[in-house]
Amino acid sequence: KQEVTQIPAALSVPEGENLVLNCSFTDSAIYNLQWFRQDPGKGLTSLLLIQSSQREQTSGRLNASLDKSSGRSTLYIAASQPGDSATYLCAVSWGAQKLVFGQGTRLTINP
Amino acid sequence: NAGVMQNPRHLVRRRGQEARLRCSPMKGHSHVYWYRQLPEEGLKFMVYLQKENIIDESGMPKERFSAEFPKEGPSILRIQQVVRGDSAAYFCASSPPSGVGEQYFGPGTRLTVT
Repeated sequence: KQEVTQIPAALSVPEGENLVLNCSFTDSAIYNLQWFRQDPGKGLTSLLLIQSSQREQTSGRLNASLDKSSGRSTLYIAASQPGDSATYLCAVSWGAQKLVFGQGTRLTINP
Repeated sequence: NAGVMQNPRHLVRRRGQEARLRCSPMKGHSHVYWYRQLPEEGLKFMVYLQKENIIDESGMPKERFSAEFPKEGPSILRIQQVVRGDSAAYFCASSPPSGVGEQYFGPGTRLTVT
């Protein structure tokens, strides 16, 4: 069964720290992996997409890496800010179609 | 380029009524996906459609739920005879016909069944 797991479920850090969010998936034959941000009561904002042939993607203070052989992806956030507080979702596609989501990591950045 | 549009944003229905949720994909996108987020649960895939075709409905409940994406107009997710367990946020996403399969999400419709 193709599943996505995110640990931890919640994370609280002081402002300014660098942090890493983890995502693991079964079945390494992925098509792509997307990281999203979801604010309370809102929709999903796409942060980064990594294709199966790529090892990492960067956007501003965000860097996402992909290691298919170990079934893992990490989202690195540099110099965290209170505005980064949100739930971060990892989603995997195994066939360029439906996404399978992890449960998310609820991130709180304390001023 | 406007993003994915969903309406209504909030919908309240009594048990037994019908709910119709609409989704207009981004311009140039011909692939539409519906996902459901139950309270305190993750997002789950429901159905994947292209214009006039259902491609994958493996996540759709067997009864009461249907989806369409007509040649003209928005995609519609229809829930007949709603029950309290249908209360959830329903998200629509779209992607272009070619490319790397990146999906862009709408703001969601929050359905409350009373």
